[in-house]
Amino acid sequence: GAGVSQSPSNKVTEKGKDVELRCDPISGHTALYWYRQSLGQGLEFLIYFQGNSAPDKSGLPSDRFSAERTGGSVSTLTIQRTQQEDSAVYLCASSMRQGARTEAFFGQGTRLTVV
Amino acid sequence: SQQGEEDPQALSIQEGENATMNCSYKTSINNLQWYRQNSGRGLVHLILIRSNEREKHSGRLRVTLDTSKKSSSLLITASRAADTASYFCATDAYSDMRFGAGTRLTVKP
Repeated sequence: GAGVSQSPSNKVTEKGKDVELRCDPISGHTALYWYRQSLGQGLEFLIYFQGNSAPDKSGLPSDRFSAERTGGSVSTLTIQRTQQEDSAVYLCASSMRQGARTEAFFGQGTRLTVV
Repeated sequence: SQQGEEDPQALSIQEGENATMNCSYKTSINNLQWYRQNSGRGLVHLILIRSNEREKHSGRLRVTLDTSKKSSSLLITASRAADTASYFCATDAYSDMRFGAGTRLTVKP
């Protein structure tokens, strides 16, 4: 595709339910990042995938959060037993090379609301 | 850990004025990037400056890098209301890419 695609754009879920957020990176990009952004705040790093290397999960806030990247392409961020504090915009980005060595492209995010 | 921290946290100016925001970092880098975010959605890449460059221009944007002070500045000249956004920096100090809290710029018409 032309850019990074995230789905759904918006998600409203009940507290305690599980949710899956999807990210389709730009084809050929080896690096993929997930961030969380609460209203008016900065970007909180969640997880980073680079090629076939083990992902950097150091930013995941709890064991309710997990992510995978299948075939080095599409990534899914799963939040189990959602809590109200999980409400935020979840952003995905991809780049051709690791870290900030090249430009990163962001999706438009998924706005998650836990009620 | 954060790779870059922006200041000020918020900046409010009149249209036509220049806006300057700063980024400080802690470790040696090869390059530094600036991004803009409108309305809390995806970030858009503005400019990348390498460690062997001191200044770079792109349209109304001017970025400087001082590796001895571990700092960078982003100058937006002749600001417009459409420049209202949050601005973030990121460096390649680590294998991943992390951002500071950003500078929230408001340009009043």
